[in-house]
Amino acid sequence: QVQLVESGGGVVQPGGSLRLSCAASGFTFSNYGMHWVRQAPGKGLEWVAFIRYDGRNKYYADSVKGRFTISRDNSKNTLYLQMNSLKAEDTALYYCVKEEDNGFDIWGQGTMVTVSS
Amino acid sequence: SYELTQPPSVSVSPGQTASITCSGDKLGDKYASWYQQKPGQSPVLVIYEDRKRPSGIPERFSGSNSGNTATLTISGTQAMDEADYYCQAWDSSTVVFGGGTKLTVL
Repeated sequence: QVQLVESGGGVVQPGGSLRLSCAASGFTFSNYGMHWVRQAPGKGLEWVAFIRYDGRNKYYADSVKGRFTISRDNSKNTLYLQMNSLKAEDTALYYCVKEEDNGFDIWGQGTMVTVSS
Repeated sequence: SYELTQPPSVSVSPGQTASITCSGDKLGDKYASWYQQKPGQSPVLVIYEDRKRPSGIPERFSGSNSGNTATLTISGTQAMDEADYYCQAWDSSTVVFGGGTKLTVL
């Protein structure tokens, strides 16, 4: 079945780095744009980053621009998010999301990132 | 930066119609999508491209988008529809979510 499984979350100190991964299955990963969306505890959804199906275009929220990098390996059906210079306000559940026809149709279960000293 | 505004909460009686609005500058010129999120669960797409329903989404969910406002309508609201709802749209090269609306069925 169509599935996205995130991993790589954890507890990290302010200023530290973390790399999230998202394993896709059940669909042709290389045909779709992919996003990272986060949700701080008790808060709403916040878009983080997008990468085009072929990796040629990448867009970022202002809040993470210059610190986070989205990438993908279509040969491994995997999406990544490299997070550097982490701040307390980056603490959130990070979702990997597939986009089709202007809708975010498949969401992973999320991986929790906690930035704390 | 572009913003989408939703009411924080909406209440509806079982069997009645619930309407949740999402406002943004010239939102009608963009595609709006809607997501349902229940506690402890990942969001679920309920409406995309303003008014289309993904397979498996009940017909009681419908959407519209015109001018500055997109609307999610739930006809014959059921207790299971109680959840947080978020609107979403692309603006230039960024994605924007509304702040979310808590739908209470009482």
